[in-house]
Amino acid sequence: DAGVTQSPTHLIKTRGQHVTLRCSPISGHKSVSWYQQVLGQGPQFIFQYYEKEERGRGNFPDRFSARQFPNYSSELNVNALLLGDSALYLCASSFTGNQPQHFGDGTRLSIL
Amino acid sequence: DQQVKQNSPSLSVQEGRISILNCDYTNSMFDYFLWYKKYPAEGPTFLISISSIKDKNEDGRFTVFLNKSAKHLSLHIVPSQPGDSAVYFCAAETGANNLFFGTGTRLTVIP
Repeated sequence: DAGVTQSPTHLIKTRGQHVTLRCSPISGHKSVSWYQQVLGQGPQFIFQYYEKEERGRGNFPDRFSARQFPNYSSELNVNALLLGDSALYLCASSFTGNQPQHFGDGTRLSIL
Repeated sequence: DQQVKQNSPSLSVQEGRISILNCDYTNSMFDYFLWYKKYPAEGPTFLISISSIKDKNEDGRFTVFLNKSAKHLSLHIVPSQPGDSAVYFCAAETGANNLFFGTGTRLTVIP
């Protein structure tokens, strides 16, 4: 069975641009969460969606937004990119949002 | 404000010996704890978890211990194998389903 898949794997953007990251959960999982992992730190929670509704939001600015589609895939959007947005963005899925969550391999975003 | 802390950035252990990874937390509302293992260029992989109503959970070579009064948990790996070499993250949640992670401990198992 396919695990959580994320695209693209790597991305390079410049300051001020916007970016869209995509995630497909494990088949049957209805909840998707997004995390940001800066080099040398642990993943930090950004959003959780369940059944297309936002269920939780971490301490990130409004430049970050997300949505979940009827097929339970999800997009993370970041506007007005800053150098500090350079990180590994991880997507995780679970049946109902409970634990454990299963992670994809992430999208490495570099801002120049 | 780091609510989950892993104070040892790295640990080296001889193959066959016990590896003990430690984690401390500050939020008394945490009620579920997990350990994830991460290899380079891969996402974190769930390893083992423990509910706050328990003090021990065992799965094969992996055992997690929880000391609620000390707000401390540990992961024991016995015996350690070279394939266990990875970064280990401790994580916790309050029931709101979002995880708080520590900064990770890099375990190296020496053959």
